[in-house]
Order: sequence, then C-alpha cells, then structure tokens
Amino acid sequence: DGGITQSPKYLFRKEGQNVTLSCEQNLNHDAMYWYRQDPGQGLRLIYYSQIVNDFQKGDIAEGYSVSREKKESFPLTVTSAQKNPTAFYLCASHRRGRPNEKLFFGSGTQLSVL
Amino acid sequence: GEDVEQSLFLSVREGDSSVINCTYTDSSSTYLYWYKQEPGAGLQLLTYIFSNMDMKQDQRLTVLLNKKDKHLSLRIADTQTGDSAIYFCAESISNFGNEKLTFGTGTRLTIIP
Repeated sequence: DGGITQSPKYLFRKEGQNVTLSCEQNLNHDAMYWYRQDPGQGLRLIYYSQIVNDFQKGDIAEGYSVSREKKESFPLTVTSAQKNPTAFYLCASHRRGRPNEKLFFGSGTQLSVL
Repeated sequence: GEDVEQSLFLSVREGDSSVINCTYTDSSSTYLYWYKQEPGAGLQLLTYIFSNMDMKQDQRLTVLLNKKDKHLSLRIADTQTGDSAIYFCAESISNFGNEKLTFGTGTRLTIIP
C-alpha cells in the first residue's frame, strides 16, 4: 500500500544536539512539506520542496534544515539553533500541480527536549 | 500576506449540527480545504472547494464559501461522537507553479452526549 511514513514516532533531544526526523513516501509525489504543530497555533510551514534538489523556506524555517536528494525522502534536521523545538512535526506530500488532490500526511513525530 | 483564522473550541450536542468557521486573507487562493485530525495522528482531508464555487455538499458535510468576505464554513449535520476531533481549514496559493498550503489554527470540536 502506498503511503507516507514518518519516524520515529517519539524523539528526545538533548541540549545543543541536532536531531533528524525521517519522512519517506512511496506515492511518487513531487511535492513534500514539513509542518510544526503547537497547541492552539495550528500548523506552521517549516520547509517545502516541489522537486528533487530544490526546496523553499516556509514561515518558520529558522533553526531547521532539510534536504531533497531523492524524490521519496525529505528529512528534517532540527538544529541546536532551534531554541524551542518541542512540538509535533508533520510531513505531507502531494502531486505537484494538483491542488485539488488531497495532501497525504504522515502520522507525525513528537519531539521533546530532555 | 496569508493568514487563516479559526476559533479554537466548539461544543455541540450529539445530533445537532456543527458549524466551524474560518477566515482567510489572501484573495488569490485557488482551493480551500477542510482537514480533520484525531488525537496523535496526521490530518485527513474531509472536503475541499474551488475558489469560484459558493457551496459544496458531500453527505453530512456542507462547505460554504463567501469570497467577498473571505469566509469559509464547514457544517456537519447530525453530529456524532466520532466527529470529535480538531478541524483545520487551509488555503492553497499558487505562486509561479509553486503551491503552498497555509493552515488555520484548528478548531477542537467536542460532542456533548
């Protein structure tokens, strides 16, 4: 079955540490997105990528980095520069040029600071 | 600029209709969506409406779009306990072939037995 997989489900970060969240999809989607969800603030866009080897900053990119070396994969690194990383992170994908098609979401990664 | 706003909470009695409202600011949005999120999970698309439509009905769901006022609403008829969730509206904006979805803050719908 096709889908989008995020791992791990729970992740803990120590002070000053970089951590990487995985997002893989086998839907052959061009466009992939990372969102951060905080209570009462909805989803905020961190980074998005429309094609391989290209990505754009979203609304809250500071303290995060991404790569898009393969169509299936869009990992997100939360760097030590992100001072408030505790949140629920959601990855999503859809076919480029198809805004009427649904955005497929992963099941999320809960990141907490130790 | 893009800004999508929703009220944070809504409580409705089982069997009544729920109406969740959303306002957006970017008039160039092409599609508007309603997503549902259950606890600890990702979002699932419920329905969407193209920006040149006023209304769309899909079983118990009715979407109304007032483009002049930039107001979107989702009506759930005969609300059931399984409808308890957070509901997000979102707008899609195309910019030179790049599409970006902006989500609202989400409305937590609670069903009162």
